[in-house]
Amino acid sequence: AQSVTQPDIHITVSEGASLELRCNYSYGATPYLFWYVQSPGQGLQLLLKYFSGDTLVQGIKGFEAEFKRSQSSFNLRKPSVHWSDAAEYFCAVVSTDKLIFGTGTRLQVFP
Amino acid sequence: GAGVSQSPRYKVAKRGQDVALRCDPISGHVSLFWYQQALGQGPEFLTYFQNEAQLDKSGLPSDRFFAERPEGSVSTLKIQRTQQEDSAVYLCASSLAGRGTEGYTFGSGTRLTVV
Repeated sequence: AQSVTQPDIHITVSEGASLELRCNYSYGATPYLFWYVQSPGQGLQLLLKYFSGDTLVQGIKGFEAEFKRSQSSFNLRKPSVHWSDAAEYFCAVVSTDKLIFGTGTRLQVFP
Repeated sequence: GAGVSQSPRYKVAKRGQDVALRCDPISGHVSLFWYQQALGQGPEFLTYFQNEAQLDKSGLPSDRFFAERPEGSVSTLKIQRTQQEDSAVYLCASSLAGRGTEGYTFGSGTRLTVV
């Protein structure tokens, strides 16, 4: 079955620093990949998605992700983190029409 | 509606009580999904509808969990004889088409606490 792994449970960065959140997938063909963000007590908001084509995907809130087939990765990046980016981030892959989520990475931002 | 609406927002149930959680998907969205999110965990798939047909219920943890979408729009997730391990946030999502290539829109969830 298709799955995603997020190796980092918790990441702390300073405001203004760059950010990279890791996601690895297991899937034979080209996967449909997503990144979602969840603020405390809120639902999941879609940041970006990848289906095919350009491997560098731009999303909302200044986020981007790069699909690398050779590394089975779909890492999320942001050049300069804002305090409001503190949240839980989930990588997900489509498997037989349903989303399968990773365990999430909690991002903490220090002023 | 503009988004996926879930009600109630919070539910406290005594152990053994039956509960019903409601999801109003985005109008016109064919697919509807239910997820369970335990504290500190990622969402876990429960079940999936395409219109009124329940295509996949492989994630339902026991026969105490039941979901329906009789007219292909609003869906209800019912949990019978609730147990403490059922305490979680229940998320509903909808998508325009079956493959979800347009993305999945999530509601804010129902937080169920079983005491």
